[in-house]
Amino acid sequence: NAGVTQTPKFQVLKTGQSMTLQCAQDMNHNSMYWYRQDPGMGLRLIYYSASEGTTDKGEVPDGYNVSRLKKQNFLLGLESAAPSQTSVYFCASSYSEVTYEQYFGPGTRLTVT
Amino acid sequence: AQSVAQPEDQVKVAEGNPLTVKCTYSVSGNPYLFWYVQYPNRGLQFLLKYITGDNLVKGSYGFEAEFNKSQTSFHLKKPSALVSDSALYFCAVRAPGAGSYQLTFGKGTKLSVIP
Repeated sequence: NAGVTQTPKFQVLKTGQSMTLQCAQDMNHNSMYWYRQDPGMGLRLIYYSASEGTTDKGEVPDGYNVSRLKKQNFLLGLESAAPSQTSVYFCASSYSEVTYEQYFGPGTRLTVT
Repeated sequence: AQSVAQPEDQVKVAEGNPLTVKCTYSVSGNPYLFWYVQYPNRGLQFLLKYITGDNLVKGSYGFEAEFNKSQTSFHLKKPSALVSDSALYFCAVRAPGAGSYQLTFGKGTKLSVIP
């Protein structure tokens, strides 16, 4: 099992450009999450998906959109990148959203200039 | 609103000595508590969790944590530290109940184990 995989690993964007971060899991997990990690701030939830076809906003959703068309995939979109979105982005999945632990991908380091 | 505090940004301990990484939480109702570890340039790895039952929880790599409801704490401990334990440790809390999806993380504690 590959677990949770993320592509790309690194990305540099110019302000105003758009891109999609991809996440895939092969553990048949129902729930998936997108976080951003900034120095000294821990992880903050951007969006989550409790099950295939459903998505909900987390703590910091502004400037992002998501898509969960297939159970194994969760996409994070930046429509118009801003320097404030420079961060490390982590995708995670869990069997369900309540008591089960989350499994994390290796992260995507995004720089917006 | 739920929150987590990790009062120490950094903890240093000598190899072979016991280690403690502190965590306190605030949540309505009985909490679900988690510890994760992050090695450099890696994603977070699950260490252990408290859902219900015994207040002392044992997890991966010899780590354990004690849930203390009266002090709203969930400190991570290990009897004998290894240099390979050096990493960033995160405590996280989730409120109970269906529909409670958000896992709130602390800001992390950097553990350095000195040879």
